[in-house]
Amino acid sequence: AQRVTQPEKLLSVFKGAPVELKCNYSYSGSPELFWYVQYSRQRLQLLLRHISRESIKGFTADLNKGETSFHLKKPFAQEEDSAMYYCALLSAGKSTFGDGTTLTVKP
Amino acid sequence: KAGVTQTPRYLIKTRGQQVTLSCSPISGHRSVSWYQQTPGQGLQFLFEYFSETQRNKGNFPGRFSGRQFSNSRSEMNVSTLELGDSALYLCASSPGGTSKSSEQYFGPGTRLTVT
Repeated sequence: AQRVTQPEKLLSVFKGAPVELKCNYSYSGSPELFWYVQYSRQRLQLLLRHISRESIKGFTADLNKGETSFHLKKPFAQEEDSAMYYCALLSAGKSTFGDGTTLTVKP
Repeated sequence: KAGVTQTPRYLIKTRGQQVTLSCSPISGHRSVSWYQQTPGQGLQFLFEYFSETQRNKGNFPGRFSGRQFSNSRSEMNVSTLELGDSALYLCASSPGGTSKSSEQYFGPGTRLTVT
């Protein structure tokens, strides 16, 4: 069975500090991995996906198959990054989401 | 393009009743997925429809069912409601088809409260 684990429910950093949101997955095949973000009073939206290997809003995420991880990183956090972040695994049309991490960036 | 829309946005039902939720995907999207979001369980996958056929299913009892119409609009039905069915129900659409990567676009959700 596929599983996504986000070990931190809450993460708090100061503005300008680096931030890393952890995501570990368990799946035997080759998964597609995504990060979704939900800002206050907005709907859930895609932030980035591993297949495109792009940087969105300064965030990057690298798929590490050896460690089965897909951590989200940003070198300098901004206050507007405060939101709920979900890691998700898509396989055979079925999506599995982690429990989410609430990131707070303090001024 | 208009985003994913869900109706109604809020709903209050009593135990034992049944409820139907509606989702209109982004124009051109053929895949619609449904999720249940609760504080205790997080986001849980209910099912996915593609071209009017249920293509994938999560681990929910048979009281949860759905369907998709020829215009890709989808409905979800929950029969014999229980208190534990109180949740935010999210719908997400994606282009679907044979694309290996299908990012999902989420609707605002329907907040169901069962009393």
